[in-house]
Amino acid sequence: EAGVAQSPRYKIIEKRQSVAFWCNPISGHATLYWYQQILGQGPKLLIQFQNNGVVDDSQLPKDRFSAERLKGVDSTLKIQPAKLEDSAVYLCASSFQGYGNTIYFGEGSWLTVV
Amino acid sequence: GESVGLHLPTLSVQEGDNSIINCAYSNSASDYFIWYKQESGKGPQFIIDIRSNMDKRQGQRVTVLLNKTVKHLSLQIAATQPGDSAVYFCAENSNQGGKLIFGQGTELSVKP
Repeated sequence: EAGVAQSPRYKIIEKRQSVAFWCNPISGHATLYWYQQILGQGPKLLIQFQNNGVVDDSQLPKDRFSAERLKGVDSTLKIQPAKLEDSAVYLCASSFQGYGNTIYFGEGSWLTVV
Repeated sequence: GESVGLHLPTLSVQEGDNSIINCAYSNSASDYFIWYKQESGKGPQFIIDIRSNMDKRQGQRVTVLLNKTVKHLSLQIAATQPGDSAVYFCAENSNQGGKLIFGQGTELSVKP
């Protein structure tokens, strides 16, 4: 079974530029998550989708971050404009139906803002 | 607010010894707990989970213990191997919102 796919794996941008990350979840998984992981910390949930609807985006900095999952499968996370403090790993994860189901993570997209 | 924390940030063990990684949680509504292993440069990898109606669950070389009275979770790794070196995270989940909350992590280092 293929895992969660993410791209790009690494990205370096200057502050105030924009960046987009793509995620393809495990086939058949209705729930998709984007987490931000700052070095030395545990992942923090940014947004959770159930199919193509948003379940939780309470910790998404909406003035600069946006995410979509238009067809209920792939998802894109965008940052515009980027700040230095956005340097982190952006992890995409998926699960069959959300709560109580195992959440599987991708390898992450490493962002450095300079 | 709700939080999940770990007692020790680093743990160093000898190869072949048993490892115990501890975790405290504060949200009494949490009823599903997961341990993840994260190797350098990789995403978190599911190890084992436990629901609140259990106090112990065993996997291959790993055992998770849950003490709801003191809101404590532990991961035991038997016969620790160099390949077990990684950062271990506990995470809690509640059906009140369903958000998975991670702790800071414990770095396990296995000495040959």
